[in-house]
Amino acid sequence: AQSVSQHNHHVILSEAASLELGCNYSYGGTVNLFWYVQYPGQHLQLLLKYFSGDPLVKGIKGFEAEFIKSKFSFNLRKPSVQWSDTAEYFCAVITPSSNTGKLIFGQGTTLQVKP
Amino acid sequence: KAGVTQTPRYLIKTRGQQVTLSCSPISGHRSVSWYQQTPGQGLQFLFEYFSETQRNKGNFPGRFSGRQFSNSRSEMNVSTLELGDSALYLCASSFGTSGGRDEQFFGPGTRLTVL
Repeated sequence: AQSVSQHNHHVILSEAASLELGCNYSYGGTVNLFWYVQYPGQHLQLLLKYFSGDPLVKGIKGFEAEFIKSKFSFNLRKPSVQWSDTAEYFCAVITPSSNTGKLIFGQGTTLQVKP
Repeated sequence: KAGVTQTPRYLIKTRGQQVTLSCSPISGHRSVSWYQQTPGQGLQFLFEYFSETQRNKGNFPGRFSGRQFSNSRSEMNVSTLELGDSALYLCASSFGTSGGRDEQFFGPGTRLTVL
């Protein structure tokens, strides 16, 4: 069965520190990859997505992610975090051959940014 | 444009009862997916409806069911509630026609508490 693993469950950073959140998936075929964010009291919203092409994708609010096919990874990065980045971050995949509306989520990473 | 709306926002039920949750997608979206979010299991896919047909189903017991109407609004029903059904139930809508590349837009969720 397909699964998504996020290595860090809880990350605490100071403002201006760099961020990298790990995400690995288990599926041998083509996948569509997503990072979603859930700010306190708000809906889940899309940060960025990758389907094909340039493995380095840029999203909203200065986030980027790199797809490394050989490592089945899709890590999220931000060079300098802000207090407003405090949120829960979810990596997710969809296999495009079927299950088009079935997002498989990782367990999530809670990011706390100290001012 | 208006976002995904879910009603009710909060619900308290007792074991053995049944409950119906409603989701109104973004106008023009034909796919509605439902997810259960709990602290222990994270975000888990329940099912997806597209043009009034169930297109995908997750690994939940038959007590969990859903349907979609011709206007794309969707309902999910949980019968014979158990304590473990306490969760945040999220619905997400998308166009559903791009082989898993569509962004899913999430609603605020319905918080179900089973006593």
